[in-house]
Amino acid sequence: EDQVTQSPEALRLQEGESSSLNCSYTVSGLRGLFWYRQDPGKGPEFLFTLYSAGEEKEKERLKATLTKKESFLHITAPKPEDSATYLCAVQRGDSWGKFQFGAGTQVVVTP
Amino acid sequence: DTAVSQTPKYLVTQMGNDKSIKCEQNLGHDTMYWYKQDSKKFLKIMFSYNNKELIINETVPNRFSPKSPDKAHLNLHINSLELGDSAVYFCASSQDSGTGELFFGEGSRLTVL
Repeated sequence: EDQVTQSPEALRLQEGESSSLNCSYTVSGLRGLFWYRQDPGKGPEFLFTLYSAGEEKEKERLKATLTKKESFLHITAPKPEDSATYLCAVQRGDSWGKFQFGAGTQVVVTP
Repeated sequence: DTAVSQTPKYLVTQMGNDKSIKCEQNLGHDTMYWYKQDSKKFLKIMFSYNNKELIINETVPNRFSPKSPDKAHLNLHINSLELGDSAVYFCASSQDSGTGELFFGEGSRLTVL
């Protein structure tokens, strides 16, 4: 069965203190790995799609990377507005439209 | 203009009642979804429709019945509500089922007393 495990569950950072979030996955025939951001009381917001090992994507202070077993979301010099829950999801190649989400990492950035 | 809108945002009801949640997207997408987010924050897919056709139907009690009158709308009707149905239900849409770029609504928090 496909599994997506995110760590840590929660992360508290000082403003400017860079860190990384981990998403480990076990899936048969990965089609894509996706990162989302979810603010309290809101729906998840799409950030990145990664399709193959070695791929990297960047957006402002966020950078996502992918290996054959895990993905990292690096947050460089975070600001308080980066506080959110970050969700990772995978899609199998034979699983049309079905995305399996991890439980997320809750990030709090304090000034 | 809200891309994916769902109503109501909050729903409090008694066990045994029947309730509906409505969803509309104005993005012109072909695929719509219902996800359930439990207290542990896991998002689990329940149903997916592509151009009004059901393509994903996960192991969900048959008390839950989705309906897609057209490709811009996907509603969720729940019969005989149980305590365990309490959760946040998210509607989402995507251009097609192959991409992971889902656009989510703000969620409908259902509380069953």
